Amino acid sequence: GIQVEQSPPDLILQEGANSTLRCNFSDSVNNLQWFHQNPWGQLINLFYIPSGTKQNGRLSATTVATERYSLLYISSSQTTDSGVYFCAAADGNSGYALNFGKGTSLLVTP
Amino acid sequence: DAGVIQSPRHEVTEMGQEVTLRCKPISGHNSLFWYRQTMMRGLELLIYFNNNVPIDDSGMPEDRFSAKMPNASFSTLKIQPSEPRDSAVYFCASTFCGYTFGSGTRLTVV
Repeated sequence: GIQVEQSPPDLILQEGANSTLRCNFSDSVNNLQWFHQNPWGQLINLFYIPSGTKQNGRLSATTVATERYSLLYISSSQTTDSGVYFCAAADGNSGYALNFGKGTSLLVTP
Repeated sequence: DAGVIQSPRHEVTEMGQEVTLRCKPISGHNSLFWYRQTMMRGLELLIYFNNNVPIDDSGMPEDRFSAKMPNASFSTLKIQPSEPRDSAVYFCASTFCGYTFGSGTRLTVV
């Protein structure tokens, strides 16, 4: 199946800073999503973005499918942004079944 | 919409016992997925259903695991007999496009 690699594995930011999380995938995708797992374990869908750019408040994501990577931008970070950010992708062979990366663990300090 | 509903939230059981995890997907979502999350292996796809039909169960670790989806509004994941290495958080997700995850079941087998 498709391989998903995320970087960096860990990130510590001061409140108000900006950050970029990267996701590389090994094959063409028909489905790519970003998730946030909060400290209570809940997985929240941030973006469905197999290609192009989307924005939602302080978060935005860009997927360059031809170069097999996606970026998640967090601007003006807040302590509530802490948690683990997962990228997940699927190729056409697995329907909508996503393979997850290992995540980027983000800690935003006051 | 109440989202994806999983039960129980926590389960502690003795080795050898049968465990049944339950999931109610979002109405209208035609695909349902079961994932397992551990520190060592991250988020792993166990099985997924499309229109109540199992499509790919290659992630089910062994014959002790089974899953059913008797109708569009209910799915179960059963482990019989359970073993300590099955301890993990089990997530159910449903999708029409982007995934929506349930809150998960934290299973501890002692």
